[in-house]
Amino acid sequence: KQEVTQIPAALSVPEGENLVLNCSFTDSAIYNLQWFRQDPGKGLTSLLLIQSSQREQTSGRLNASLDKSSGRSTLYIAASQPGDSATYLCAVKLKGGATNKLIFGTGTLLAVQP
Amino acid sequence: KAGVTQTPRYLIKTRGQQVTLSCSPISGHRSVSWYQQTPGQGLQFLFEYFSETQRNKGNFPGRFSGRQFSNSRSEMNVSTLELGDSALYLCASSLGGADNQPQHFGDGTRLSIL
Repeated sequence: KQEVTQIPAALSVPEGENLVLNCSFTDSAIYNLQWFRQDPGKGLTSLLLIQSSQREQTSGRLNASLDKSSGRSTLYIAASQPGDSATYLCAVKLKGGATNKLIFGTGTLLAVQP
Repeated sequence: KAGVTQTPRYLIKTRGQQVTLSCSPISGHRSVSWYQQTPGQGLQFLFEYFSETQRNKGNFPGRFSGRQFSNSRSEMNVSTLELGDSALYLCASSLGGADNQPQHFGDGTRLSIL
């Protein structure tokens, strides 16, 4: 059974710092991995999607890496800003079967202090 | 392009009642998935519909059901509501099929059971 874990559960950093969020998964037979952010009371906003054949994806100040063999992904946020404060979730899509089911991690609550 | 639209945004019901939630996917998207988010369990997959057919189902009791219409809009229904059904219900849409397109989420319906 696929399990997805995110460490740390919460993180507080001063504005301007670079930071790394971690995501681990137990089954390497994934189709892709997607990073989301969730603001309080809101839905999920897709940040980056990494296909299983890729090693990393970049969008602006965000960079996500994927090491399928070790079951790990990281989300790197450069020069953090207070507007980055949110909960960050990773989710994997398993191989096998025609389905878009995602298995989510537990999330990291990020607070960027001005 | 309009995003995923969920209605209503908030609902208050009492135990034993039933409720119907609606989700309109992004135009052209044929896959709609539903998730339940609670503080204790995180995000859990309920079911997925593709071309009006349920093609995957999570581990929820039969009180949770759904359907999809020919225009890809989807509804989920919860009957005989219990206190534990209080949650944020999120809908996600994607093009469908075994592809690497990201999934896009709506802002959710916040269901409170009194």
